[in-house]
Amino acid sequence: GDSVTQMEGPVTLSEEAFLTINCTYTATGYPSLFWYVQYPGEGLQLLLKATKADDKGSNKGFEATYRKETTSFHLEKGSVQVSDSAVYFCALNNNDMRFGAGTRLTVKP
Amino acid sequence: SAVISQKPSRDICQRGTSLTIQCQVDSQVTMMFWYRQQPGQSLTLIATANQGSEATYESGFVIDKFPISRPNLTFSTLTVSNMSPEDSSIYLCSVSRGGNTEAFFGQGTRLTVV
Repeated sequence: GDSVTQMEGPVTLSEEAFLTINCTYTATGYPSLFWYVQYPGEGLQLLLKATKADDKGSNKGFEATYRKETTSFHLEKGSVQVSDSAVYFCALNNNDMRFGAGTRLTVKP
Repeated sequence: SAVISQKPSRDICQRGTSLTIQCQVDSQVTMMFWYRQQPGQSLTLIATANQGSEATYESGFVIDKFPISRPNLTFSTLTVSNMSPEDSSIYLCSVSRGGNTEAFFGQGTRLTVV
């Protein structure tokens, strides 16, 4: 069945560092891909999405490109802030939502 | 997008009792789901709440333990029955408009069973 494999954490970075969180997927057909963020004590918030190959989703300085040839949707940000500390989930929807294991990011001042 | 109100936000319950969690959406949605998230873990789908009919449960989850109601397109409840400490978790309501669209989440209910 469909699945999402996400880079294991935790990830600890200094403020203004470059962030990459890897995500690859296995799916038949043409799923939509998503990144969600979960701040402490809260539910999941949609961060960005891409619905077809070569689409780039972006929001709040985060970007991810839907790469069908490598079945990947890596999350990147050029300069992280302390406020970006959270857990990040990669997900796909192919008529059935699937989530990765989550990656905890801690950004230190 | 959809705004989801989930309550209670947290509760501490005695073992053997039951807790009902409510999920209210600000607009009509096609799909409503209930997830469990154990500390430091990803989300596990409990069931899909179907309007006007019995919920569709995932493997490992049964109606007697997690009865679900969905009387209309904007409201659902999840009951955690006969609770034990192993039920301590975060329970999340989620909605989507179907197909390959994004899901939206409530803020979650943090349940502790003592």
